[in-house]
Amino acid sequence: AQRVTQPEKLLSVFKGAPVELKCNYSYSGSPELFWYVQYSRQRLQLLLRHISRESIKGFTADLNKGETSFHLKKPFAQEEDSAMYYCALRRSSNTGKLIFGQGTTLQVKP
Amino acid sequence: NAGVTQTPKFQVLKTGQSMTLQCAQDMNHNSMYWYRQDPGMGLRLIYYSASEGTTDKGEVPNGYNVSRLNKREFSLRLESAAPSQTSVYFCASSEERGTTMKQYFGPGTRLTVT
Repeated sequence: AQRVTQPEKLLSVFKGAPVELKCNYSYSGSPELFWYVQYSRQRLQLLLRHISRESIKGFTADLNKGETSFHLKKPFAQEEDSAMYYCALRRSSNTGKLIFGQGTTLQVKP
Repeated sequence: NAGVTQTPKFQVLKTGQSMTLQCAQDMNHNSMYWYRQDPGMGLRLIYYSASEGTTDKGEVPNGYNVSRLNKREFSLRLESAAPSQTSVYFCASSEERGTTMKQYFGPGTRLTVT
């Protein structure tokens, strides 16, 4: 069965520290992976997708097919990065449906 | 553009009552979705519509019905609300460009069933 696992419910770091939000997936095909973010009092929005190989707001994520992981990283956390982060998987280009992980709350302390 | 809009923002129901959550998008997207968000469970897909006139069950469809009224609107109905349906409900729509896809979310409806 397809599944996305985010093992940490809460990740708390100090400003300026490196951040890594973990995401592991279970899928036998070639998935498309995404990170979505929900800031306080804002709607859920796309942060980045593996297919674009982009860096948004200093965040990057590399798809590791061997380890079936798509961890989100940032070298120096900022207080404004505090939010809920969701990893999501799209099974194929034939569907728009996403499977979301449980979410990780990132708390960046001053 | 307003993007994806949802009404109402908040609702309290008694067990057994019914209600309809409304969703509309002005981005001319074909696909629309209804999710529920629960602590520790992430977002789970309730129903999905790939185009006007079509709907498909997601992971947790029991207790819900949907209507894709036209390309813009996708409503979610609870016929007989239960406390287990207390949740935050999100509507989304998506654009597909080439092989990739981006979902746009509404602001959510916080529903409490007592």
